[in-house]
Amino acid sequence: DAKTTQPPSMDCAEGRAANLPCNHSTISGNEYVYWYRQIHSQGPQYIIHGLKNNETNEMASLIITEDRKSSTLILPHATLRDTAVYYCIVRTTDSWGKFQFGAGTQVVVTP
Amino acid sequence: EAGVTQSPTHLIKTRGQQVTLRCSPISGHTSVYWYQQALGLGLQFLLWYDEGEERNRGNFPPRFSGRQFPNYSSELNVNALELEDSALYLCASSLGGTPLVYEQYFGPGTRLTVT
Repeated sequence: DAKTTQPPSMDCAEGRAANLPCNHSTISGNEYVYWYRQIHSQGPQYIIHGLKNNETNEMASLIITEDRKSSTLILPHATLRDTAVYYCIVRTTDSWGKFQFGAGTQVVVTP
Repeated sequence: EAGVTQSPTHLIKTRGQQVTLRCSPISGHTSVYWYQQALGLGLQFLLWYDEGEERNRGNFPPRFSGRQFPNYSSELNVNALELEDSALYLCASSLGGTPLVYEQYFGPGTRLTVT
């Protein structure tokens, strides 16, 4: 299974863009990159996913490098409610739906 | 549209007892997943059910089991509870089948404390 590496923590000022990096150097060609977040004591929330093209939705943008070995989740205007642990996950091909969640990045948005 | 619901929200049991946790998926979703999140640890995959059948399970002992009902709701059963079973148990649902790409939507979880 492809492994992901994320920084353990990151601070961001309210109103500024938050750029969350993720390395997945062993990703294979048919594996997708997913991002979820978990606000304290709540269930994880789906944010966005992509294969090779950059993606954008109402929550965030996902930038995937051309070699697909890394990606960046961008929260364009961080708010205090974006304080959460953010998980970068690579969809395994033999998992039949089994996501592997790593330690994630604790993002703290400050006023 | 109602999200994934779980019951109960909190539960306190003693070591050796048995517990049943319940999950109702989003309407139209046929796959249900169970995860365990112990304090300070990441999510650990437990079980995946689709169309009433167990499709995959994580690295947990057999005393963790479950089932999925015809209405796609699911139960997680844990027998012979141990102290280290204390955790947040999360249920997620998604569209079923074997598409390569689908999102999992999580419920709020059940906080189990074993004393």
